[in-house]
Amino acid sequence: QVQLVESGGGVVQPGRSLRLSCAASGFTLSSFAVHWVRQAPGKGLEWLGVISFDGSKRYYADSVKGRFTISRDNSKNTVYLQMNSLRVEDTAVYYCARDPMTGGWYWYFDLWGRGTVATVSS
Amino acid sequence: EIVLTQSPGTLSLSPGERATLSCRASQSVNSNYLAWYQQKPGQAPRLLFSGASSRATGIPDRFSGSGSGTDFTLTISRLEPEDFAVYHCQQYGDSVITFGQGTRLEIK
Repeated sequence: QVQLVESGGGVVQPGRSLRLSCAASGFTLSSFAVHWVRQAPGKGLEWLGVISFDGSKRYYADSVKGRFTISRDNSKNTVYLQMNSLRVEDTAVYYCARDPMTGGWYWYFDLWGRGTVATVSS
Repeated sequence: EIVLTQSPGTLSLSPGERATLSCRASQSVNSNYLAWYQQKPGQAPRLLFSGASSRATGIPDRFSGSGSGTDFTLTISRLEPEDFAVYHCQQYGDSVITFGQGTRLEIK
């Protein structure tokens, strides 16, 4: 079955770190760019960043630049979101999503995971 | 950054009725690079349309996307029970990707 599955969410104190994983199954993730998107409680979706199919390029939203880092291990069919210096306002459901272009990017998303919840609270 | 405003916030309709959802951009969306997604509770969002009107694989033809420039519309011609969900628009024509706040389509 073609799917993305996020994991690694949980409850963390402000200022601490969390690493989320996005594992692909049913297809070869190494051909595709992967984006991260989040949804805070009661809010709309917010794009966070993207990593190219080979990991050579990464772009981030201003809201997380310098704190969040996207990486990937194509041998494990997995992409990661390292979140440092977490704030209360980072509390959200975090989704990974596939860009449909092989070897490039269209900047929209044809496959999403169900999300993982990260709660930042003291 | 382009701000997308979706209206209405909540739409209450009955199965069999026609639904019209709006997504308005604060400035013109380059090349009509606008996507629509459906999201049900606890499920992954699903791509409905890209390029404003190109239906994604497996999307029933009762769904249609239209519009250009700053005004875009998602239409569901005859609502089925499984269509009640939250719908999001997203523009990808600008250097900063943005989403609308979503429209909740609920059963009346």
